[in-house]
Amino acid sequence: EAQVTQNPRYLITVTGKKLTVTCSQNMNHEYMSWYRQDPGLGLRQIYYSMNVEVTDKGDVPEGYKVSRKEKRNFPLILESPSPNQTSLYFCASSLSASPSDTQYFGPGTRLTVL
Amino acid sequence: QKEVEQNSGPLSVPEGAIASLNCTYSDRGSQSFFWYRQYSGKSPELIMSIYSNGDKEDGRFTAQLNKASQYVSLLIRDSQPSDSATYLCAGVRYNFNKFYFGSGTKLNVKP
Repeated sequence: EAQVTQNPRYLITVTGKKLTVTCSQNMNHEYMSWYRQDPGLGLRQIYYSMNVEVTDKGDVPEGYKVSRKEKRNFPLILESPSPNQTSLYFCASSLSASPSDTQYFGPGTRLTVL
Repeated sequence: QKEVEQNSGPLSVPEGAIASLNCTYSDRGSQSFFWYRQYSGKSPELIMSIYSNGDKEDGRFTAQLNKASQYVSLLIRDSQPSDSATYLCAGVRYNFNKFYFGSGTKLNVKP
């Protein structure tokens, strides 16, 4: 089944404790992206990747890191999480960033930073 | 000013009516627009994309784009209770590869 998977789905952590949220897709997509969703603010793009080893900042990259060492995986790293990073995170992928290519979203990761 | 603006709603329509969802954008360089539907607790799913001025129809859904007025809309004909969800408008400037989403409009379709 074609899908985008994220792990973990739920995470409660404390300020300053490094964490990684994994994202994997099995559709051989080149474009992958991370978003956070907050009430009243909608989805905001954190980072995106056009292909392996090619990443770039989205709208709200501060406090986050990403890497794209393999085409299928695009982990999101929070080196020192803070409470303002409490949010719902979505990973997405598409064949490319072309408007004709559908972005498929993962199921989401709900992160709480205490 | 946000790149993409939507009225948060909720927009309530009776079953069988036409629901009209609207979105404005500030970046004239935005070339393509998307409507996503998001059920509560679920991830967004694409309904339609549009990149040319005018209307684009797909079943009960019609997307409209007016680049001169920087306005995008989604019409849902014969609305059903199962259409009750939050609808997200998004735009992209293709050569920048960044996507901008609005905060979403909550639609309630009453039986």
